[in-house]
Parts: sequence; C-alpha cells; structure tokens
Amino acid sequence: GAGVSQSPSNKVTEKGKDVELRCDPISGHTALYWYRQSLGQGLEFLIYFQGNSAPDKSGLPSDRFSAERTGGSVSTLTIQRTQQEDSAVYLCASSPAGGFSSYNEQFFGPGTRLTVL
Amino acid sequence: SQKIEQNSEALNIQEGKTATLTCNYTNYSPAYLQWYRQDPGRGPVFLLLIRENEKEKRKERLKVTFDTTLKQSLFHITASQPADSATYLCALVPNDYKLSFGAGTTVTVRA
Repeated sequence: GAGVSQSPSNKVTEKGKDVELRCDPISGHTALYWYRQSLGQGLEFLIYFQGNSAPDKSGLPSDRFSAERTGGSVSTLTIQRTQQEDSAVYLCASSPAGGFSSYNEQFFGPGTRLTVL
Repeated sequence: SQKIEQNSEALNIQEGKTATLTCNYTNYSPAYLQWYRQDPGRGPVFLLLIRENEKEKRKERLKVTFDTTLKQSLFHITASQPADSATYLCALVPNDYKLSFGAGTTVTVRA
C-alpha cells in the first residue's frame, strides 16, 4: 500500500519568505509526527498529533513554526519568515497509534529538503 | 542534560564480517529502544524494537542488546553485505510517544 508521502521533495526559498510543507500519512494512522534533521544531527522532534487531541507543540523551535492537521489526515508544517538556520530536511512520520502504545514503529516519509538562501 | 551518543565515526567493514554499532545514553530511563535504517535521501525505516526488560532481540542477521545498567544498546549486523550499507539510528522512548534519536552511524560494507 501507499506509504507516507511528503511534498515538495525539495524547496529552495529566500530568507524572509514563508514556506508550507505537506505530509500525507498512511491511511488509518492516528498519530502523526514532524521531525527536523540537520546535517550530522539526530532527528529533532517538532510536533505530534494524535487523533482529535490537542497537538504536542513542545518541539517547535520558535513561533515562526506552526503546523496543523486537517480532518485527522493531511498535515501542513508552515515556517514563516524563514531563516538560513531553518535549512534542513523535514521528515514526517505516522503511526497506527500513539501514547503508551507507541512502541508501534513509526513510518517515515522521504522528507522535504529545505534550503534557505 | 539528556544525551544519546552513537559511534561518532563511520564504520567500514569487509563483506561477511560482523558490524557492531553502539548507542549510549545518559539521563534517560527509556521504556524501550528502537533501531532504524536510513538510506541517503530517504526517511528512516524501522528495524527492531527492544524493551527494557529484554536483554537481546534478533531478526534475521540483526541482533540488538539492551543493558539498562550500562545505559547502552549494541546493534550487530552479522554476515554483512554491501546492501547493508546505510546509516543506522537508535531511538529511545522514555515513557511517552516522543522518540529521541541519536545522530546515527554510517556503515559501509566493502565487497
């Protein structure tokens, strides 16, 4: 079946512009995660959605970052007034469930490589 | 502060040999630990999970150990093949839904 998809695969933008990154999780997965991966660094947790619960935004690095998930499916990560330090690969993952049953594996998309000039 | 450390250097091994990767952590009390594989330009792919009360887990040519006293997990690839060349990530799950990832170890298997 279809895995997690992300778009665009690559995004080059100028400093100060806003960008939107999209994630389509696996159908039926209730948990959705966004991570950021910088060169040579581990994946950095950004935000977590679980069903209709309020998202855990504790990993968002600044108020320029926001995310929403519509209808419990597609998610959009928005970065406003992009800075050069925002350049990274942004990965989305989904899982059948979250919370204490999150020993379930996470299924990752291919990521969006963001370059801020 | 919390820290997860994996082999800092890339691992280059001969085909057929065993690759051993380490994942050390401090100031975590993970309920379980996962290992993922990541190929260039792709997202990580789940390989194995081991719980805190398990000492060892195997899956085909992969073996993972978990020592909560040493705060360390070892990941072994036996009878390695060039197709095993990738970056391997360990991820800790304290007791909620957040995974905390190490930076990964890049393995290259020479034919």
